Amino acid sequence: AQKITQTQPGMFVQEKEAVTLDCTYDTSDPSYGLFWYKQPSSGEMIFLIYQGSYDQQNATEGRYSLNFQKARKSANLVISASQLGDSAMYFCAMREGQGGKLIFGQGTELSVKP
Amino acid sequence: DTAVSQTPKYLVTQMGNDKSIKCEQNLGHDTMYWYKQDSKKFLKIMFSYNNKELIINETVPNRFSPKSPDKAHLNLHINSLELGDSAVYFCASSGTGGFYGYTFGSGTRLTVV
Repeated sequence: AQKITQTQPGMFVQEKEAVTLDCTYDTSDPSYGLFWYKQPSSGEMIFLIYQGSYDQQNATEGRYSLNFQKARKSANLVISASQLGDSAMYFCAMREGQGGKLIFGQGTELSVKP
Repeated sequence: DTAVSQTPKYLVTQMGNDKSIKCEQNLGHDTMYWYKQDSKKFLKIMFSYNNKELIINETVPNRFSPKSPDKAHLNLHINSLELGDSAVYFCASSGTGGFYGYTFGSGTRLTVV
């Protein structure tokens, strides 16, 4: 069964606007971590933001914030004030327990229009 | 001072050949991984080593053999390469305690012709 689901294969956003990338997850482990990574056309995997399952507040890192809704099992990434350099593939990922592998979603390709 | 470095970055080879990809991390992490990214950009775990011990071995053909000489290095050897092995292979590492962040290498694009 798919544990991480990203339902938006591709999205467009106008420069300087905010955009939300969706991610839902499925786990029965009470301890887990949720990650977002950016993969630009150059190919590297860039860590953006992390949310632990016990964290009370939503994570924020600069223009990135994670809208964590535990009961709905969703961990959407919000990018504020989009920039042309934000055009890339974005992956949501989950780690179950205190260590071990990351399981990735299918990715969302974001295109920022000038 | 690259944190996770992989070599080579590009690898083009003929079917049936044997090739290796090397990975080294200088973060002091205990766990290292190999991931495969297919043509549809889907990332899937292949192997994981913790302090030189194999802890994750997903359903991967036995033509793929990881080797970890020490906890800072994890190499991937592939025998009898097939067209379907063409992909981007990422090495990653993670620490223990707290955030358990994962750091990825820049990837190796393998093309089998």
